[in-house]
Amino acid sequence: KAGVTQTPRYLIKTRGQQVTLSCSPISGHRSVSWYQQTPGQGLQFLFEYFSETQRNKGNFPGRFSGRQFSNSRSEMNVSTLELGDSALYLCASSPRPGQASYEQYFGPGTRLTVT
Amino acid sequence: QQQVKQSPQSLIVQKGGISIINCAYENTAFDYFPWYQQFPGKGPALLIAIRPDVSEKKEGRFTISFNKSAKQFSLHIMDSQPGDSATYFCAASSQGGSEKLVFGKGTKLTVNP
Repeated sequence: KAGVTQTPRYLIKTRGQQVTLSCSPISGHRSVSWYQQTPGQGLQFLFEYFSETQRNKGNFPGRFSGRQFSNSRSEMNVSTLELGDSALYLCASSPRPGQASYEQYFGPGTRLTVT
Repeated sequence: QQQVKQSPQSLIVQKGGISIINCAYENTAFDYFPWYQQFPGKGPALLIAIRPDVSEKKEGRFTISFNKSAKQFSLHIMDSQPGDSATYFCAASSQGGSEKLVFGKGTKLTVNP
């Protein structure tokens, strides 16, 4: 079974631009979560989607948004990029919310560099 | 507020030795404690996980010890190998409908040959 895939793997953007990252969960997984990883802050939760609905959101500004499609694929968008948005953005999938789905599997991430 | 505190930040172990990484949590609602292993350029990979109804879980060379009263859990890597050199993250989450994982800051493990 294929793992979580994320595209693109690497991205360079300029301050003020916006960016869209994509995540395809493991086949059959319906819950998708996004995390930001930086050397200073570590791994921080961005948001979580299930059945096209955002179930939970981390402590990030409104410039960070996401959505989930009917096929469980998810995208996240960052508008008005800032230098501090440079990070590895990770997507994780699990079968569905609840006790049985605690096992989250991460993709390889998208390395975003903002210049 | 850091809800999961991980130590040490870095660890150097000789091949064949035991690697021990510790984590402490604050939120008593946490009921799922996974450990992730991350190699450079890769996403975190689920290594082993435990729920608070057991005090220890072993999978191969990896063991999680859990102390509910002290709100602490640890990862033991027996017979450490150079291939185990990676960054290890502990995490925690609570049932209640959210998939949100709260991560520790990570431990960079180096196993010398």
